[in-house]
Amino acid sequence: DTAVSQTPKYLVTQMGNDKSIKCEQNLGHDTMYWYKQDSKKFLKIMFSYNNKELIINETVPNRFSPKSPDKAHLNLHINSLELGDSAVYFCASSPHATGERSYEQYFGPGTRLTVT
Amino acid sequence: ILNVEQSPQSLHVQEGDSTNFTCSFPSSNFYALHWYRWETAKSPEALFVMTLNGDEKKKGRISATLNTKEGYSYLYIKGSQPEDSATYLCAPPPNSGYALNFGKGTSLLVTP
Repeated sequence: DTAVSQTPKYLVTQMGNDKSIKCEQNLGHDTMYWYKQDSKKFLKIMFSYNNKELIINETVPNRFSPKSPDKAHLNLHINSLELGDSAVYFCASSPHATGERSYEQYFGPGTRLTVT
Repeated sequence: ILNVEQSPQSLHVQEGDSTNFTCSFPSSNFYALHWYRWETAKSPEALFVMTLNGDEKKKGRISATLNTKEGYSYLYIKGSQPEDSATYLCAPPPNSGYALNFGKGTSLLVTP
């Protein structure tokens, strides 16, 4: 059973389009995240959601918006796509726990977005 | 955001060699340190979560130690195998919020 899933796995689209990437977790976790793997292969946090509340929003353009219909889903919407948005986007989730288990991230397989 | 430094940036060893790399972080307000293993074309997987000064954790041939007073953690791989080739990321959780701020990673290549 897939713990954290993302769709689509690959997304090729043109500049100016609006697109969404879906993420679902079946782990019962309380917090979900979106990370971006940038051109230098570094993993950078974009958003996190805890109980439907956005609790972190890093310096991400407002063209990017997370949408969480329920605790198990955190979708990423991107408006007016730009060439620089091309990257691999990873969804993750973590349990609400104390001590060592807290913040432990379970990652999805990634979505490779290519903007042409 | 806590500054995390990992060194070396990349490492190339021969099969059977043992190796280690470092994660440095600010020692004040420490809560926990995570290590992740990230193979090419896959997603990161948690290796260890360490919280106590002097803690040592082990998973097979991989182990990690933690020094919270001086702000560093070492990851050791004993008898490296080609399947150990991956990028190893460390991250201390932030004091507020829930997201991890990953270091830039150490990219390990093990050749036969």
